[in-house]
Amino acid sequence: AQSVTQLDSQVPVFEEAPVELRCNYSSSVSVYLFWYVQYPNQGLQLLLKYLSGSTLVESINGFEAEFNKSQTSFHLRKPSVHISDTAEYFCAVSGWSQGGSEKLVFGKGTKLTVNP
Amino acid sequence: EAGVTQFPSHSVIEKGQTVTLRCDPISGHDNLYWYRRVMGKEIKFLLHFVKESKQDESGMPNNRFLAERTGGTYSTLKVQPAELEDSGVYFCASSQKGITQYFGPGTRLTVL
Repeated sequence: AQSVTQLDSQVPVFEEAPVELRCNYSSSVSVYLFWYVQYPNQGLQLLLKYLSGSTLVESINGFEAEFNKSQTSFHLRKPSVHISDTAEYFCAVSGWSQGGSEKLVFGKGTKLTVNP
Repeated sequence: EAGVTQFPSHSVIEKGQTVTLRCDPISGHDNLYWYRRVMGKEIKFLLHFVKESKQDESGMPNNRFLAERTGGTYSTLKVQPAELEDSGVYFCASSQKGITQYFGPGTRLTVL
């Protein structure tokens, strides 16, 4: 069985400060890793993903995440946040299960609040 | 290209009533998933369709929930009869090859 732990439920930061949202996972099989973001009053949007290859993946709006197999982590980072980054961020993992379903297993989410 | 759409965006019903949620996946996506987030909890998987077949329904909470995907296009999720604990946000997602899932805006269900 797979599981995802997002240790921080809320992260307040000031604008232009760096931020790291932590994600650890457990799985007995090879996994795919995802970060989704939910802006206020909107649905879930895919932010970035790790499927294979380079362990450092980037989004179009300046976020990056690094897959660390030995530490089973996929932390999300941004060197300088904007007010518009205020949202809830979800880490998720998928992998082939016995049923053949690639269902996503989510962490509980981290609410990032960027203050002026 | 249109994204995943869900209808309605909000639904408020009384305990014991029936509600039907609809999801239209991205055109050409054979894989369709339903998830639910109950307030304060994580987003949890309900079930997975490949075309019109149920690939995995291990997350369906009980037999009050019925999902269908006739014709392999849109899907409906019916809750009958609704209970208070069914309140939450129901998300639908679709995927072409079963790896990267794209989500709809969700339906917020409130059972009074």
